[in-house]
Amino acid sequence: AQTVTQSQPEMSVQEAETVTLSCTYDTSESDYYLFWYKQPPSRQMILVIRQEAYKQQNATENRFSVNFQKAAKSFSLKISDSQLGDAAMYFCAYRSALSGNQFYFGTGTSLTVIP
Amino acid sequence: DVKVTQSSRYLVKRTGEKVFLECVQDMDHENMFWYRQDPGLGLRLIYFSYDVKMKEKGDIPEGYSVSREKKERFSLILESASTNQTSMYLCASTPPRGRQYFGPGTRLTVT
Repeated sequence: AQTVTQSQPEMSVQEAETVTLSCTYDTSESDYYLFWYKQPPSRQMILVIRQEAYKQQNATENRFSVNFQKAAKSFSLKISDSQLGDAAMYFCAYRSALSGNQFYFGTGTSLTVIP
Repeated sequence: DVKVTQSSRYLVKRTGEKVFLECVQDMDHENMFWYRQDPGLGLRLIYFSYDVKMKEKGDIPEGYSVSREKKERFSLILESASTNQTSMYLCASTPPRGRQYFGPGTRLTVT
């Protein structure tokens, strides 16, 4: 089974600053999807950003961008101009494009935004 | 917008009770999932279903069963609740090659 590792259980960032959350994964497949999900306190899990492995260009969604390094199997999330509403648990996830329906999640990074 | 709903946000049950957690999605997705979320452990897959009446065990199926009689509804059953099943339970649905859509979660406490 694929594994997804988030090595930073907790991170903090000053409001308006930039923070990068790390994620690495292990797979022998060449075609897959990677996701970052956000779970605010006591609120629903929502998708932040998605990356297809066959795309070389890094995905961007407003203040959120990824650094996808396929050879290194790394998928970090950069949050620019951090806002108080960015405080949440962030999960990195992997899904094969070819085999199976399962998603594999990391253990999460809790982000605190300091006013 | 896809909507995934779960029958309860908070639930308190006694040890030994049979517990039903229901999940409904409105986008005709084939795939539905039940996860358990615990601090420091992330999301762990309990069961998933890829079609009506079809199910597969995830990583931690022990003590749980599931039912999928209709495409839009996926139920998680705790046959005899135990205190170590106190947790947050998340339901999700997904189209064949897409992202997961999550429900709001059910925080279950077993006393």
